[in-house]
Amino acid sequence: QKEVEQNSGPLSVPEGAIASLNCTYSDRGSQSFFWYRQYSGKSPELIMFIYSNGDKEDGRFTAQLNKASQYVSLLIRDSQPSDSATYLCAVHQTGANNLFFGTGTRLTVIP
Amino acid sequence: DVKVTQSSRYLVKRTGEKVFLECVQDMDHENMFWYRQDPGLGLRLIYFSYDVKMKEKGDIPEGYSVSREKKERFSLILESASTNQTSMYLCASSKESNGYTFGSGTRLTVV
Repeated sequence: QKEVEQNSGPLSVPEGAIASLNCTYSDRGSQSFFWYRQYSGKSPELIMFIYSNGDKEDGRFTAQLNKASQYVSLLIRDSQPSDSATYLCAVHQTGANNLFFGTGTRLTVIP
Repeated sequence: DVKVTQSSRYLVKRTGEKVFLECVQDMDHENMFWYRQDPGLGLRLIYFSYDVKMKEKGDIPEGYSVSREKKERFSLILESASTNQTSMYLCASSKESNGYTFGSGTRLTVV
């Protein structure tokens, strides 16, 4: 079992819709969770992080964490074509120095 | 603006050459990382360092070595480049268990 799993997609949504990206992780003791956006040919950039159960909102982005279900998600409201990218979920496991990354979900927002 | 700087954006090297990839961060971060990213395989950790002169192997250290003589600089060395090391190489840094800041990446082609 991989430490962090994401649906590779591609996920296509129409402009203005809500995009929902999901991620599950295996280490129950994980404490920190991150979402990165990566445009084609570019490096990943951090867009959200969440440490506590529940929702965290930042503009059009909402991160949701459910530690009991070992599940973290990213919602993008009012999706724009500029949101088209690969979204990487990353988890910091207890005792580790490095993050564990999922393989990413490719999102396409259709104008 | 805080930065992780990778010395080269594109590199072309010949099989058997010794290759140096340099990474410098200006954020006084303790942790630095080298990943390679290949289509369908996601981010794979090569080496990381949590302090000056300290290094830890990641998931795929074979054929690579690293050097960290100063806190701000972390170098990746390909001892004898091979065609299967053609990839995008990403450097990242972090403070404690916080999220990473990535450099812009080096696309290495070994011919």
